[in-house]
Amino acid sequence: AQSVTQLGSHVSVSEGALVLLRCNYSSSVPPYLFWYVQYPNQGLQLLLKYTSAATLVKGINGFEAEFKKSETSFHLTKPSAHMSDAAEYFCAVSDIDDYKLSFGAGTTVTVRA
Amino acid sequence: DVKVTQSSRYLVKRTGEKVFLECVQDMDHENMFWYRQDPGLGLRLIYFSYDVKMKEKGDIPEGYSVSREKKERFSLILESASTNQTSMYLCASSLRGGARTEAFFGQGTRLTVV
Repeated sequence: AQSVTQLGSHVSVSEGALVLLRCNYSSSVPPYLFWYVQYPNQGLQLLLKYTSAATLVKGINGFEAEFKKSETSFHLTKPSAHMSDAAEYFCAVSDIDDYKLSFGAGTTVTVRA
Repeated sequence: DVKVTQSSRYLVKRTGEKVFLECVQDMDHENMFWYRQDPGLGLRLIYFSYDVKMKEKGDIPEGYSVSREKKERFSLILESASTNQTSMYLCASSLRGGARTEAFFGQGTRLTVV
């Protein structure tokens, strides 16, 4: 079964600074990859997804992620953090012939003024 | 606006009680899921259903059962609640078509078993 590892359970950034959240997946066969965001007391919302098209994927709210097969990574970035980006972020993976998602442990982002 | 609605945001139940968590989606989705969310563990799949009356176990089905009698509704049942089932429970739905399609999540039910 697919699995993902998110490096860093907590990331603190200054407003306006780069946000970088790391995600590595386990399979040698490229899967489908996702980033979800969870704001306090809410459910999860899809930020972006990779489904074997362009390796650089743009999502909502200025986030993007790059699929790197050689590194089995799918790191999430945003050039300039905003206070509203404070949330928990989850990387998720699925085999291309499956509809179940396997989630990472999550990374909590705090943004300092 | 698409919607997955969970019947309760917060629940407090006693050990040994039978607990029902309800989830309704209005998007005519074939797939529905129940996840459990715990700090440091992310989301773990309990059960999923790909059609009415169909269900499959996820990664942590022990102590849970599910029911899907109608396409729009997916219920999670704790037959005899225990304190280690205190958690946040999230329901999700998606179209048939595999993981390529987006999963939509409800706002979650925070269950406390005392």
